[in-house]
Amino acid sequence: AQSVTQPDIHITVSEGASLELRCNYSYGATPYLFWYVQSPGQGLQLLLKYFSGDTLVQGIKGFEAEFKRSQSSFNLRKPSVHWSDAAEYFCAVGFDSWGKLQFGAGTQVVVTP
Amino acid sequence: DVKVTQSSRYLVKRTGEKVFLECVQDMDHENMFWYRQDPGLGLRLIYFSYDVKMKEKGDIPEGYSVSREKKERFSLILESASTNQTSMYLCASIMTGMRTDTQYFGPGTRLTVL
Repeated sequence: AQSVTQPDIHITVSEGASLELRCNYSYGATPYLFWYVQSPGQGLQLLLKYFSGDTLVQGIKGFEAEFKRSQSSFNLRKPSVHWSDAAEYFCAVGFDSWGKLQFGAGTQVVVTP
Repeated sequence: DVKVTQSSRYLVKRTGEKVFLECVQDMDHENMFWYRQDPGLGLRLIYFSYDVKMKEKGDIPEGYSVSREKKERFSLILESASTNQTSMYLCASIMTGMRTDTQYFGPGTRLTVL
């Protein structure tokens, strides 16, 4: 069975500092990986996705993620965070032909001045 | 732009009431999903639908049912609401079932059952 682990429940980062959110997955076949962001009171918005090819994926809002098959990881990064990046971030793996996703528990990011 | 709308942002109901949560998408998407979001648990799939009148159970279907009478509309029904169904409910849709497609989410309905 597939699973997604986000080891960090909560991260606090200073504005302007770099951010890295960890995601590990367990899935027997080629993973289809996603990062979503949920701002307060909002639904989920897709940041980026990986299916194949270049293992470094660029997304919206200045985010990127790197797929490492050997580590079963898909970590999300941003070089310099802005106060508006305060949100909850979810990693997900797509695993079937219906488009279903298995989500991690999420990482809450707090940005301090 | 894909738009997924949910009928209510906030809802307060009493134990035992029948509750309807409505979701509408405007991009002719084939598949639609209902998730429940709880702190520390992420999103868990309740039900999904891959065509009109077609539905499949997700990971946590107990206490819920769904209806899809029209392609653009997917309803989640709590037959007899209980306090443990207090949660955030998110609807999503996807063009097809291809794994490369993106799920688009509605803003969510925060349901409180008293």
